[in-house]
Amino acid sequence: DGGITQSPKYLFRKEGQNVTLSCEQNLNHDAMYWYRQDPGQGLRLIYYSQIVNDFQKGDIAEGYSVSREKKESFPLTVTSAQKNPTAFYLCASSIGALNEKLFFGSGTQLSVL
Amino acid sequence: GIQVEQSPPDLILQEGANSTLRCNFSDSVNNLQWFHQNPWGQLINLFYIPSGTKQNGRLSATTVATERYSLLYISSSQTTDSGVYFCAVGVTGNQFYFGTGTSLTVIP
Repeated sequence: DGGITQSPKYLFRKEGQNVTLSCEQNLNHDAMYWYRQDPGQGLRLIYYSQIVNDFQKGDIAEGYSVSREKKESFPLTVTSAQKNPTAFYLCASSIGALNEKLFFGSGTQLSVL
Repeated sequence: GIQVEQSPPDLILQEGANSTLRCNFSDSVNNLQWFHQNPWGQLINLFYIPSGTKQNGRLSATTVATERYSLLYISSSQTTDSGVYFCAVGVTGNQFYFGTGTSLTVIP
């Protein structure tokens, strides 16, 4: 089945630690995205990538980093510079341009120990 | 960015009832999507509807882009319809902006 796989489902971060969230898709989509969701809020864009080896900052990129070495993969690193990392993180993809239909993974809940 | 407001913020329905969810946006948009987030966090794309009306089973959506709003209709609601409904709007070449959602609870 085609889809977007996020792992792990739950992740805990210690003070000063970097953690990496995985996102893999087998939909052959060009564009991939990372969103952050806080309780009772909508989704906010962290980073997006429209092609391999290229990515752009979204509205809340500070404290995060990404890479896009393969079309299928778009990992997100939450660095120690992100002072409030507790949130639900969602990865998405679309066929091509930014404005096309979005498909989401099942999310990763990140909490701080 | 574009401001997106959804109403009502919370809704409780008896199973079998109908409901209308609204999404207002502050500027002209080229695209609009409706999503359902289930209690486990999974977001499902319900409609990709920049204008006009679409139907999918018990759900239908209407977007009137010139008046800057979209409506999501749920008929004969079921407990599995519970969750949060988001609309997201976008301008060509730009990202989607999400509303804060309508939380729906359907009770048996």
